[in-house]
Amino acid sequence: QKEVEQNSGPLSVPEGAIASLNCTYSDRGSQSFFWYRQYSGKSPELIMFIYSNGDKEDGRFTAQLNKASQYVSLLIRDSQPSDSATYLCALSRGAAGNKLTFGGGTRVLVKP
Amino acid sequence: KAGVTQTPRYLIKTRGQQVTLSCSPISGHRSVSWYQQTPGQGLQFLFEYFSETQRNKGNFPGRFSGRQFSNSRSEMNVSTLELGDSALYLCASSMGTGDNEQFFGPGTRLTVL
Repeated sequence: QKEVEQNSGPLSVPEGAIASLNCTYSDRGSQSFFWYRQYSGKSPELIMFIYSNGDKEDGRFTAQLNKASQYVSLLIRDSQPSDSATYLCALSRGAAGNKLTFGGGTRVLVKP
Repeated sequence: KAGVTQTPRYLIKTRGQQVTLSCSPISGHRSVSWYQQTPGQGLQFLFEYFSETQRNKGNFPGRFSGRQFSNSRSEMNVSTLELGDSALYLCASSMGTGDNEQFFGPGTRLTVL
């Protein structure tokens, strides 16, 4: 079992719709969770982070964390063609140090 | 505020050679982490340096090493290159105290022939 699991996609979403991405993890010691967006040929860009159970909203993005069920999700509202990218879920144990463990990423395609 | 910079951006080497990659973190950030990204294995953690000390290490062979200087700039070295070392090497910068968000540089694309 991989430490961080994501559906590889592609997740095809009509423009203006909501894209829902899920990520499950196996390490119950995980404390901090991050969502990165990576365009083809570019480096990952941090878009959201969440530390506590519940929802966290930032513009069109909402991250949801449920530590008991060991999943974290990302919602993208009013999806735009510019949101077409690979979304990477990452987590850390929160102890000293900054080791991030990444999922394989979900490719999102927003169709006009 | 300037972002994370990495040099060189592209590199072509042959098997058996060694390579050194450089990373300059965001001003004020004291932690630099290195990652390898390949199509098959995805993003994998190599090591992290904080205040010139290696604080975390991933599961890579000893051919992969690094160091950090007093100005927080970091270098990563790969010796005796193998074909499988072809990858995008990314460094990430963070404050390093607590569980901080990491910001990636543009990466160095290494091709081993």
